[in-house]
Amino acid sequence: QKEVEQNSGPLSVPEGAIASLNCTYSDRGSQSFFWYRQYSGKSPELIMFIYSNGDKEDGRFTAQLNKASQYVSLLIRDSQPSDSATYLCAVSHGGSQGNLIFGKGTKLSVKP
Amino acid sequence: DAGVIQSPRHEVTEMGQEVTLRCKPISGHDYLFWYRQTMMRGLELLIYFNNNVPIDDSGMPEDRFSAKMPNASFSTLKIQPSEPRDSAVYFCASSTQGQPQHFGDGTRLSIL
Repeated sequence: QKEVEQNSGPLSVPEGAIASLNCTYSDRGSQSFFWYRQYSGKSPELIMFIYSNGDKEDGRFTAQLNKASQYVSLLIRDSQPSDSATYLCAVSHGGSQGNLIFGKGTKLSVKP
Repeated sequence: DAGVIQSPRHEVTEMGQEVTLRCKPISGHDYLFWYRQTMMRGLELLIYFNNNVPIDDSGMPEDRFSAKMPNASFSTLKIQPSEPRDSAVYFCASSTQGQPQHFGDGTRLSIL
């Protein structure tokens, strides 16, 4: 059974701090890794994807991938109250067109 | 640009009734995905299509569920007969090669 594990949270950080969200996956053949943000009552929205080991930065967001440890993380710098949402980690054998396996998500709360 | 359009947004029906959920993918997208999201199980892929052909339906829970894609701009997910445990939010998503999946707003289904 291919699994993606996330700490359900809630993770609470003060405004302006760095939020660190973590994800582990069981399938060593996984090739593509995605972070989605989901506001309460809304649909998932892609915020980052990463395919290679190392870091990938996009604005305040940094995705980190370590395939040897089967570990993906998302860092959010200068956290804002508007970042409060559930963050879903998703993993795929292929690209985004394949079977995405989602974690259950980590709920992030950024306190003003 | 229009995103993925799902209907209805909310559906409340009694156990045993037939339920039909509808999805219009983004124009030009050749992949279409149906997901179900519950608190207990998170976001699960039910089935996905490529060029209107079902590629992987291993996530379809049982024979009561069926999905069709008669053309590139329309897909349905049908549950017959419906049961209370089918209550969930059902998302449709679409994508094309090299692009991330875009999700619709979802259908919140309640089976009484």
